[in-house]
Amino acid sequence: GAVVSQHPSWVICKSGTSVKIECRSLDFQATTMFWYRQFPKQSLMLMATSNEGSKATYEQGVEKDKFLINHASLTLSTLTVTSAHPEDSSFYICSAIGQLNSNQPQHFGDGTRLSIL
Amino acid sequence: KQEVTQIPAALSVPEGENLVLNCSFTDSAIYNLQWFRQDPGKGLTSLLLIQSSQREQTSGRLNASLDKSSGRSTLYIAASQPGDSATYLCAVMRSGAGSYQLTFGKGTKLSVIP
Repeated sequence: GAVVSQHPSWVICKSGTSVKIECRSLDFQATTMFWYRQFPKQSLMLMATSNEGSKATYEQGVEKDKFLINHASLTLSTLTVTSAHPEDSSFYICSAIGQLNSNQPQHFGDGTRLSIL
Repeated sequence: KQEVTQIPAALSVPEGENLVLNCSFTDSAIYNLQWFRQDPGKGLTSLLLIQSSQREQTSGRLNASLDKSSGRSTLYIAASQPGDSATYLCAVMRSGAGSYQLTFGKGTKLSVIP
């Protein structure tokens, strides 16, 4: 089946640090990737939709200057949390979709647990 | 705004029992509904995807139904096993040009007792 790799799986860093998370589709070309955030015992909340070669579309309430998304190729999207603070600590998950149609399931990475001290 | 609710929030059953997880959504304008499994600290594994025009999908011991008009879906797990213990998430893909975005419920945490 389709595989999405997310790296790193766990990050602990000091407040003010910028953190980059990578999301790769290993065996298919991902025209669209999605970035989600999940707080403990909460549902996954969509942060942004990333299309290859164009600017990401951010959900309401998500700061685009805080969460920088780059989707430079059909197999790689990155999320950079700039100047991270403790309130940014969360579980970040990416997903990827190949063909843009409703028959295709989204394939999810294993997530990145971000802890800001 | 689409809202997805899952009941119960947690469920504990003895091994071998059949069980049903429930999902409801407020906006019936959907492309599809997906059920996922999430193990602690892990990403999501897709279990079943039901198109809006379909009534049910089956995979092994899992059967998912969809009643789009009433905004409900159920996930039926037959002969539960300890390995089924995980959080089960329901998500709907909203319809509309170019969206393909998923709205998730909070999940049902399932514990199957050996």
